[in-house]
Amino acid sequence: QQQVKQSPQSLIVQKGGISIINCAYENTAFDYFPWYQQFPGKGPALLIAIRPDVSEKKEGRFTISFNKSAKQFSLHIMDSQPGDSATYFCAASLGYKLSFGAGTTVTVRA
Amino acid sequence: GAVVSQHPSRVICKSGTSVKIECRSLDFQATTMFWYRQFPKKSLMLMATSNEGSKATYEQGVEKDKFLINHASLTLSTLTVTSAHPEDSSFYICSARDTGTQETQYFGPGTRLLVL
Repeated sequence: QQQVKQSPQSLIVQKGGISIINCAYENTAFDYFPWYQQFPGKGPALLIAIRPDVSEKKEGRFTISFNKSAKQFSLHIMDSQPGDSATYFCAASLGYKLSFGAGTTVTVRA
Repeated sequence: GAVVSQHPSRVICKSGTSVKIECRSLDFQATTMFWYRQFPKKSLMLMATSNEGSKATYEQGVEKDKFLINHASLTLSTLTVTSAHPEDSSFYICSARDTGTQETQYFGPGTRLLVL
């Protein structure tokens, strides 16, 4: 079964808008939560990551919000640009293994 | 930054032949590397964990005799798809865990395998 549930499956946002992707997990032993960005035909690239003792982390236009009690975390892409159009995967790590969400395809319209 | 390379990026082979894919960590040492398989518009599926100097650990349902993994050095792991068949056609991606930071996996660019 999928250990990390990701939504929505896809989203379309206007240039300059905010993209929000949500993930939920069940296993409270997960201790590291990275987000990856993948372009067609390429491998995933680490975008930003957070540990569960932090509620928010911001890097440029990308922000992770983490709610430990709700076992949820989300990625916010501010001021979305056409170059942000890609598939985004959330993941959760237990030891060395990553469990991936199903992915969200983001399309930014100019 | 941490860079992982894969070779080849794309390979086409005939059914029944074997194909070797290389995964290298270019600027860091990786005692642990991972091999994933990804179907179109799907998430990454972990196939196996490759440990330097020891046998790989395969996920449930992955045939270890079909997908041979060798991790001979701290910067190189190879995946050999033996006696490939059309159903093995897929996008194979490796990742490497930085021995120094211990938490982040860096992914290679992937290898597209097409078996005719």
